[in-house]
Amino acid sequence: DAKTTQPPSMDCAEGRAANLPCNHSTISGNEYVYWYRQIHSQGPQYIIHGLKNNETNEMASLIITEDRKSSTLILPHATLRDTAVYYCIVINGPPETSGSRLTFGEGTQLTVNP
Amino acid sequence: DSGVTQTPKHLITATGQRVTLRCSPRSGDLSVYWYQQSLDQGLQFLIHYYNGEERAKGNILERFSAQQFPDLHSELNLSSLELGDSALYFCASSVEVSYTEAFFGQGTRLTVV
Repeated sequence: DAKTTQPPSMDCAEGRAANLPCNHSTISGNEYVYWYRQIHSQGPQYIIHGLKNNETNEMASLIITEDRKSSTLILPHATLRDTAVYYCIVINGPPETSGSRLTFGEGTQLTVNP
Repeated sequence: DSGVTQTPKHLITATGQRVTLRCSPRSGDLSVYWYQQSLDQGLQFLIHYYNGEERAKGNILERFSAQQFPDLHSELNLSSLELGDSALYFCASSVEVSYTEAFFGQGTRLTVV
């Protein structure tokens, strides 16, 4: 699985967009980009994932560069409850790969300030 | 609520003891994953079961074992406990053997004294 690099911490004002970058320069063609977050001591929560195209759901948007070497998770209107550690993870996606699992790095601690 | 249930929520036990952590996956999910999160190690993958069969092992100690039962619930057994085993243990489930998205339980906090 490709290694990812994320800033250790970021701050964002409540109501503003939070843009969390992730570098995955060694990503290969069949690897997906997944984002999870973990609010203090709770179980990690899936946010979004993508392969090549930009993706959007009710929680966030994922922008993947054309060369796929980096991506940005966008929380369009951050709230205090979005304060969490955000993990960018690159893994082999479908079809089935034996031993597929999430490898969590250090992530980015996002703090949303009032 | 992710739909993944872990019991117990908290567990305090003495060194040398054995404990069993239980996980009930979301309805319909065949894959169960176990993770350990300690203060100095972050989230570490332990083991993955799919439909009752072990599919992958991570940094799981020989003192630890797991199984997935026919009803798809899973148990993580930790024996000869040491102080360093104190951690949050998370279970996650997903539909397929490969990842689409995984849903995590709220964890079991194990304290070894």
